[in-house]
Amino acid sequence: AQTVTQSQPEMSVQEAETVTLSCTYDTSESNYYLFWYKQPPSRQMILVIRQEAYKQQNATENRFSVNFQKAAKSFSLKISDSQLGDTAMYFCAFNTGNQFYFGTGTSLTVIP
Amino acid sequence: GAGVSQSPSNKVTEKGKDVELRCDPISGHTALYWYRQSLGQGLEFLIYFQGNSAPDKSGLPSDRFSAERTGGSVSTLTIQRTQQEDSAVYLCASSQGQVKQETQYFGPGTRLLVL
Repeated sequence: AQTVTQSQPEMSVQEAETVTLSCTYDTSESNYYLFWYKQPPSRQMILVIRQEAYKQQNATENRFSVNFQKAAKSFSLKISDSQLGDTAMYFCAFNTGNQFYFGTGTSLTVIP
Repeated sequence: GAGVSQSPSNKVTEKGKDVELRCDPISGHTALYWYRQSLGQGLEFLIYFQGNSAPDKSGLPSDRFSAERTGGSVSTLTIQRTQQEDSAVYLCASSQGQVKQETQYFGPGTRLLVL
């Protein structure tokens, strides 16, 4: 079965601090892509970052970076220098080519 | 268009009525997905269209749900005889094709409330 688990329903972080959101997944596929999406209160889902499973180097996108541990099937998101605009639901997902699988999300609140 | 659009933004209906939700994908995107997001939940896959291929309907929760995609572009999700448990946000997404690295681009969703 293909599953995505986000074990932290809610998190908070002080503005300018760093926070890490965890994600684990399960798949029998060897090649797939991993994604983090952000859903602010406006409901618009926005891609934050993506990672190719066959690449060992962790993806980075400005203040966002991932810690990808393929053997452990772990794909955490680190947000550095948190900003108020980072307040949103964050969804971890992966794509095997046939379908996207999403976690249940982590609600992140950035505290001024 | 610049992005995926969905209409209506919000829909309130009475139990037992039929509803139609519309999705306009990004021009040129061949893949289109429908998801359901219930309050406090993740995204539940409903149906997937890829070009002219037969859609993947494996996520549709019951035969009251159906979807069409006309001309490989606009898609309509229809829910017949709505039930209160159908209340949710329905999200549409499109991507350029059916490859693993393709990013999905989401619309703003339609919030459906069944009274």
